[in-house]
Amino acid sequence: DAKTTQPPSMDCAEGRAANLPCNHSTISGNEYVYWYRQIHSQGPQYIIHGLKNNETNEMASLIITEDRKSSTLILPHATLRDTAVYYCIVRVAGTGANNLFFGTGTRLTVIP
Amino acid sequence: KAGVTQTPRYLIKTRGQQVTLSCSPISGHRSVSWYQQTPGQGLQFLFEYFSETQRNKGNFPGRFSGRQFSNSRSEMNVSTLELGDSALYLCASSYRTGGDNEQFFGPGTRLTVL
Repeated sequence: DAKTTQPPSMDCAEGRAANLPCNHSTISGNEYVYWYRQIHSQGPQYIIHGLKNNETNEMASLIITEDRKSSTLILPHATLRDTAVYYCIVRVAGTGANNLFFGTGTRLTVIP
Repeated sequence: KAGVTQTPRYLIKTRGQQVTLSCSPISGHRSVSWYQQTPGQGLQFLFEYFSETQRNKGNFPGRFSGRQFSNSRSEMNVSTLELGDSALYLCASSYRTGGDNEQFFGPGTRLTVL
């Protein structure tokens, strides 16, 4: 699976949009981009994933560039409960295995 | 639908002992994966079981083992505990194995080795 690069930390004001970038310049055509987050000492929580098109669900939006070398996770109205470590993961579809490589992630702090 | 449950939530052992951790996946999920999280190494994949068969294994010594039962519940065992085995052990379940599916994590078991 391709490696990802994320900034180690970011701050966001409460109520504003949080835009978390991820670089995956070596991504292959059959690799998905996944986002998980981990709130302190809890198990990671799935947020969203996508292949080529932009995706949106009740938690967030995922914007993938046309060349698929980078993506941005958008939390439209950040709350204090969104303070967490956010992981961007690239996964090959159909590998027959569920191992996730988490990396170091981005620590997002939402400021009141 | 109930989430992934892990027991026990906290455990204290001494060096040389062995430990068994349990994970009950979401009903209907057949894949269970185990991860170890430490401050130094972060989240690392241990192994995955699907339909009672180990599908994939991370880079951990043979002291770490697991199994899955016919009801998809899984256990992991660590023998001859070392201080460095102190960690949060997480399990995740999913409906199927492979790249295009969500994994749901349990709250973890925090193991302390003294």
